[in-house]
Amino acid sequence: EPEVTQTPSHQVTQMGQEVILRCVPISNHLYFYWYRQILGQKVEFLVSFYNNEISEKSEIFDDQFSVERPDGSNFTLKIRSTKLEDSAMYFCASSEEWTGKTQYFGPGTRLLVL
Amino acid sequence: ELKVEQNPLFLSMQEGKNYTIYCNYSTTSDRLYWYRQDPGKSLESLFVLLSNGAVKQEGRLMASLDTKARLSTLHITAAVHDLSATYFCAVGSNNDMRFGAGTRLTVKP
Repeated sequence: EPEVTQTPSHQVTQMGQEVILRCVPISNHLYFYWYRQILGQKVEFLVSFYNNEISEKSEIFDDQFSVERPDGSNFTLKIRSTKLEDSAMYFCASSEEWTGKTQYFGPGTRLLVL
Repeated sequence: ELKVEQNPLFLSMQEGKNYTIYCNYSTTSDRLYWYRQDPGKSLESLFVLLSNGAVKQEGRLMASLDTKARLSTLHITAAVHDLSATYFCAVGSNNDMRFGAGTRLTVKP
């Protein structure tokens, strides 16, 4: 069964450094998403992406963040100048269509900013 | 500002019993999601509800949406241990999406 994959599974970085989290969505899916969850608490939506453009973004997704689909398979989240409060589990998801269709989630990347 | 409230936050129930989780939200929305998360695991998409009166069922779980009341419910029928997990609702509105705090469900034998 097709699945969403994410790399790395864990990332430790120093405050102020840049990190890139990678996701490979399911191949025929057209919509891609990033979410984060801090210490098993509430999940937060970051951004959705379609046709090489951001569709929706939350107020969390400020200039510190960017997303890119650099090739036909990867979908990346870049966090510039990381802060301590960026420490979280970051989940990527993909879906065939915008609404009414199931989103499939990757296993997550645990980011720790020291 | 879009706010989403779930209740209860914790729910312990006996196998075979029925219960309902509630999700209230503060502004008009264009879609509502229910997700499941097992401890230490990723999210699993359960339902997407798009219109007033929408009802979807999968196994022992049934979700409904009342857009006029700004309320969605997730009803659990004849609970079994395998349903133990945290359940999140999420509401999409005006190019944003907000999650509820989650309901941690424990089903006891």
